[in-house]
Amino acid sequence: GQQVMQIPQYQHVQEGEDFTTYCNSSTTLSNIQWYKQRPGGHPVFLIQLVKSGEVKKQKRLTFQFGEAKKNSSLHITATQTTDVGTYFCAGLVPSGTYKYIFGTGTRLKVLA
Amino acid sequence: NAGVTQTPKFRVLKTGQSMTLLCAQDMNHEYMYWYRQDPGMGLRLIHYSVGEGTTAKGEVPDGYNVSRLKKQNFLLGLESAAPSQTSVYFCASSNPGELFFGEGSRLTVL
Repeated sequence: GQQVMQIPQYQHVQEGEDFTTYCNSSTTLSNIQWYKQRPGGHPVFLIQLVKSGEVKKQKRLTFQFGEAKKNSSLHITATQTTDVGTYFCAGLVPSGTYKYIFGTGTRLKVLA
Repeated sequence: NAGVTQTPKFRVLKTGQSMTLLCAQDMNHEYMYWYRQDPGMGLRLIHYSVGEGTTAKGEVPDGYNVSRLKKQNFLLGLESAAPSQTSVYFCASSNPGELFFGEGSRLTVL
């Protein structure tokens, strides 16, 4: 069945260092979304990418959607302690049913 | 607006007991989802609904049933709970696009 994998599973960085998480789908996606979940909280929407090769930026966060629409990445420049949490990608299966399959997540810890 | 509300927030069950989790949204969203979250496995889709009166299976539907009798409510039922169903359950809604999540329901099956 449809699978969405993320790497790495965990990442510890010093405050100020950069961070990247990668998302790979076994099949082509209609679009991809990214979510952040703080410890003990619920996932919160960050962004949606739709077009092949699309790049979007939100302040220190840069999101990319691969040319084949099967992979995506989230890059955070100069991490801050407020960036702590788990980052998930969610791929929309192109079946017309609006079924979102989540990646396994990358848990980010930022050391001050 | 309350957004997406899940009840109960915590529940402890014994193996074999049944229960229902309720998800209510006040955003008039067509699409609703139930996910479970387990350590190291991300969020896995249990069932979803694309509108009132419709339901469909997700990635891990076995042992669960759902109903969407009213547009604003999506119920998740466990007929005979098993320890493997110990998890945090999240409900989400969308119209479509961005998923709005509830705060989660932590279920422990002993």
